[in-house]
Amino acid sequence: DGGITQSPKYLFRKEGQNVTLSCEQNLNHDAMYWYRQDPGQGLRLIYYSQIVNDFQKGDIAEGYSVSREKKESFPLTVTSAQKNPTAFYLCASSISGSPGGELFFGEGSRLTVL
Amino acid sequence: GQQVMQIPQYQHVQEGEDFTTYCNSSTTLSNIQWYKQRPGGHPVFLIQLVKSGEVKKQKRLTFQFGEAKKNSSLHITATQTTDVGTYFCAGRGTNAGKSTFGDGTTLTVKP
Repeated sequence: DGGITQSPKYLFRKEGQNVTLSCEQNLNHDAMYWYRQDPGQGLRLIYYSQIVNDFQKGDIAEGYSVSREKKESFPLTVTSAQKNPTAFYLCASSISGSPGGELFFGEGSRLTVL
Repeated sequence: GQQVMQIPQYQHVQEGEDFTTYCNSSTTLSNIQWYKQRPGGHPVFLIQLVKSGEVKKQKRLTFQFGEAKKNSSLHITATQTTDVGTYFCAGRGTNAGKSTFGDGTTLTVKP
């Protein structure tokens, strides 16, 4: 089955710790994205990547980092510099390298900072 | 920067009633997409509109893109309990490559 796999689904972290969220896709999509969703709010773009070994900051990149070493993988690290990291994180991909195409989402990772 | 406003934030309807959510952009859009997120789930793509004044239908759902390409609407006729969820619009600006999401409209349907 083709799709996007995010792990872990639920994650608890102590303040001051970095945590990495995994996102893997087997859709052969060029573009991948990370969004953050807070209750009652829309999706805010953290980072996106249009091709391997290249990525751009989104609207709320501070306190986050990404890498795109393989086409299939786009992990997100939530660093201790992120002041309010508790949120629902969604990874997505799209066919073309041009952002704005149809997005396919993973099931999300819910991060709670204790 | 580009802003996309969506109203209303919440809508409660009786099953069988109609529902409409509106999306307004501060800038002209090259396209607009609509997504549905069921409670506890992830957003799922519904449709994309590209042309000025475009109207598309999917069974009981009607999507419109304004003539000025700055607003859009989603109308559901005769809602059913399966329609519950949050509906998001996402507009792509003519200059920026990425899309901006509205805050969504959460629909609840009372049987």
